[in-house]
Amino acid sequence: AQSVTQLDSQVPVFEEAPVELRCNYSSSVSVYLFWYVQYPNQGLQLLLKYLSGSTLVKGINGFEAEFNKSQTSFHLRKPSVHISDTAEYFCAVSSTGGGNKLTFGTGTQLKVEL
Amino acid sequence: DARVTQTPRHKVTEMGQEVTMRCQPILGHNTVFWYRQTMMQGLELLAYFRNRAPLDDSGMPKDRFSAEMPDATLATLKIQPSEPRDSAVYFCASVRDADTEAFFGQGTRLTVV
Repeated sequence: AQSVTQLDSQVPVFEEAPVELRCNYSSSVSVYLFWYVQYPNQGLQLLLKYLSGSTLVKGINGFEAEFNKSQTSFHLRKPSVHISDTAEYFCAVSSTGGGNKLTFGTGTQLKVEL
Repeated sequence: DARVTQTPRHKVTEMGQEVTMRCQPILGHNTVFWYRQTMMQGLELLAYFRNRAPLDDSGMPKDRFSAEMPDATLATLKIQPSEPRDSAVYFCASVRDADTEAFFGQGTRLTVV
């Protein structure tokens, strides 16, 4: 079984400031890791994913995340946020054993202010 | 532009009525998921199919929910009878077996009064 913890339910930040959204996971098997973004009244869209290889992955819209196996973390970062980044962000895991079944965290609401 | 299509986008119904939600996965995607999103529980997996066969529906209340894939282009989620606690946004997602990225539809917002 897997679980994902997103400790911050809301993160307010000023425009052009850096941001980090935290994600920790727990699993008894190897996992793939994902960050999805959800804009109001929309479905989820993939931001980035870690499958293997380099622990620093870059995604769309200037976001990046770093996989840290020893700390079982996959934190999402952006050096300078924009108003349009206001959305809910979900961290998710799936087993590398196949199935593509995603287990999601509870989400972090990022609110970018002027 | 390939996308997962869900209908209806919004549904308001009275308690006790039957509700059917539909999903058209992306052509060529052979795995389909149903998720439910609520403020209290977040995103929960209800059921999923591979090659139209149900693989796991342990997240679904069996007495009132049912999920099917009549063909490769249609997945349905049915609630009968509906209850106010079923009010949520229901998402369908599809993925091609060889890939890892799941594509989500825009959801069906269900309100049961």
